[in-house]
Amino acid sequence: QVQLQESGPGLVKPSETLSLTCSVSGDSIRNDYWSWIRQPPGKRLEWIGYIYSSWRTNYNSSLKSRVTISADTPKNQFSLKLTSVTVADTAIYYCARGTPRCGGDCHPLDYWGQGTLVTVSS
Amino acid sequence: DIQLTQSPSFLSASVGDRVTITCRASQDIRTFLAWYQQKPGKAPKLLIYAASTLQSGVPSRFSGSGSGTEFTLTISSLQPEDFGTYYCQHLNLYTWTFGHGTKVES
Repeated sequence: QVQLQESGPGLVKPSETLSLTCSVSGDSIRNDYWSWIRQPPGKRLEWIGYIYSSWRTNYNSSLKSRVTISADTPKNQFSLKLTSVTVADTAIYYCARGTPRCGGDCHPLDYWGQGTLVTVSS
Repeated sequence: DIQLTQSPSFLSASVGDRVTITCRASQDIRTFLAWYQQKPGKAPKLLIYAASTLQSGVPSRFSGSGSGTEFTLTISSLQPEDFGTYYCQHLNLYTWTFGHGTKVES
């Protein structure tokens, strides 16, 4: 059974960097697409980006200048860094696995972490 | 970027009802669409991918259809555990976009 667990500070000050880690069990992060998605309170889901093949990344164009996703393959973890945060970055942050389907042309998110609330406030 | 528009935003239904939710894409996305169910305080759950393929373990009362720019999620007979918010997602290789959600409530 694949399991994902987010960890990191629940409170970040404006202009600082948000850092989260997703620990994965039951699958190797060398496989599949490993993603970050966030959801501001009461709002829709927003895809942040993903990492695959341990180092290749793709980011949401609206966040690209502030986002870095990286992997620690020995620990089977991947991480999110979001710089220069504002109150608009307050959200529940989820990590999720995108599994290859559609002959490898699509990667629906079949396993998710429980999510972690990050509040941006001074 | 491709935009996804779901309708309706809110849907009032009763147990046993047939429920249909629509997702419209701003461009042709072939069948690169997934549907998720989210309950309060929980992570989303994958229901359908490739527009019409049921994820393993999902009850057969859920079905998806469509291609190009118009897609539907149908629940053939709404069950008490089906109340929640449903999202569509574009599954293009390079950009993933979610719809704004449809809340199904009693």
